[in-house]
Amino acid sequence: AQSVAQPEDQVNVAEGNPLTVKCTYSVSGNPYLFWYVQYPNRGLQFLLKYITGDNLVKGSYGFEAEFNKSQTSFHLKKPSALVSDSALYFCADLNYGQNFVFGPGTRLSVLP
Amino acid sequence: KAGVTQTPRYLIKTRGQQVTLSCSPISGHRSVSWYQQTPGQGLQFLFEYFSETQRNKGNFPGRFSGRQFSNSRSEMNVSTLELGDSALYLCASEAGGRSNTEAFFGQGTRLTVV
Repeated sequence: AQSVAQPEDQVNVAEGNPLTVKCTYSVSGNPYLFWYVQYPNRGLQFLLKYITGDNLVKGSYGFEAEFNKSQTSFHLKKPSALVSDSALYFCADLNYGQNFVFGPGTRLSVLP
Repeated sequence: KAGVTQTPRYLIKTRGQQVTLSCSPISGHRSVSWYQQTPGQGLQFLFEYFSETQRNKGNFPGRFSGRQFSNSRSEMNVSTLELGDSALYLCASEAGGRSNTEAFFGQGTRLTVV
């Protein structure tokens, strides 16, 4: 079965520092990987996706992610964190192109 | 263009009752998916409708059902509500191509069962 893991429940980072939110996947076939962000009392907002092509994917709000097939990882990164980046982040695989299989989420806190 | 609209935003229901939630997708989008979000189980896929047909279904009991109308608006219904059905229900709208499109999510309906 397809599964997505986010090993950290919480990530704390100081404003201006680089941030990384980790994601690993276990899928058969080619993964279709996504990152979404959720702010309080809001739905999910798309950040970026990897379908095929370059392993480094650039997305919204200065975020990027690197697809690493050998490590089955798709970590989300940003060079300089903002307080406004504080939110809940979800990694997801598009299960055989059908429905999303989400990771459990990582709460990012950017401290001023 | 208008985003995904879910109504109502909040609902309080009693155990045993039934509830209907509505989702209006982005204009032109033909696929609507529903997800349940709870603190314990995270985000779980309920079902997807495309052109009025259920195209995919998650692992939820038959009390959870849905439908899609010709204008792509979708409703989901939960019958015989249980306390564990308390959750944020999110719908996602897509053009329909699946693998190369991104999903746009509504703000959700927060259902509380008492």
